[in-house]
Amino acid sequence: GAVVSQHPSRVICKSGTSVKIECRSLDFQATTMFWYRQFPKQSLMLMATSNEGSKATYEQGVEKDKFLINHASLTLSTLTVTSAHPEDSSFYICSARGGGLKSPFEAFFGQGTRLTVV
Amino acid sequence: RKEVEQDPGPFNVPEGATVAFNCTYSNSASQSFFWYRQDCRKEPKLLMSVYSSGNEDGRFTAQLNRASQYISLLIRDSKLSDSATYLCVVRNTGFQKLVFGTGTRLLVSP
Repeated sequence: GAVVSQHPSRVICKSGTSVKIECRSLDFQATTMFWYRQFPKQSLMLMATSNEGSKATYEQGVEKDKFLINHASLTLSTLTVTSAHPEDSSFYICSARGGGLKSPFEAFFGQGTRLTVV
Repeated sequence: RKEVEQDPGPFNVPEGATVAFNCTYSNSASQSFFWYRQDCRKEPKLLMSVYSSGNEDGRFTAQLNRASQYISLLIRDSKLSDSATYLCVVRNTGFQKLVFGTGTRLLVSP
């Protein structure tokens, strides 16, 4: 399958600081990137969808000014959690799909980032 | 009501057992269906797509019942390595996004 690399895998930050998470598609052009959040024992909840070169579309209840998404190239999308608070501590996962894949509608996941805000 | 519902489990089974999971979805316009596997603190990985005619991949069999809006996954001859959370996933017509169930946890013991 296609490879999606997410970095960092784990981050601890102080309350009030910002954290940037990167998601890269290594062997295909990711025309669409999805960002999810998963709290313990809960399902993955979609936060936003971004298409390369366009503004992200946020799901209801997700603050776009707090969770900044940039998808400026076909291989990189970033999620920045601004002014992080302890309630933002969660597992964040990106998913990408796009051209050049056997199945363009299949989504491939990054390894996830465990964010802990102290 | 959640769009995709699953029994969270856990299902505790011995090695070699057969176990089945069900999942229901509420949107009758849903078009694509999948089972993903997620290990603890890891990303989900596609296990198999689910087709109307039913499909099998080794020890895994997936079935779709559109009339009743449920999807099933059958695992035969369970292995210790099958211990994981199994996520039922749905994609709706015209939408790019996937909708995930909360997952069913499977624990296979020796």
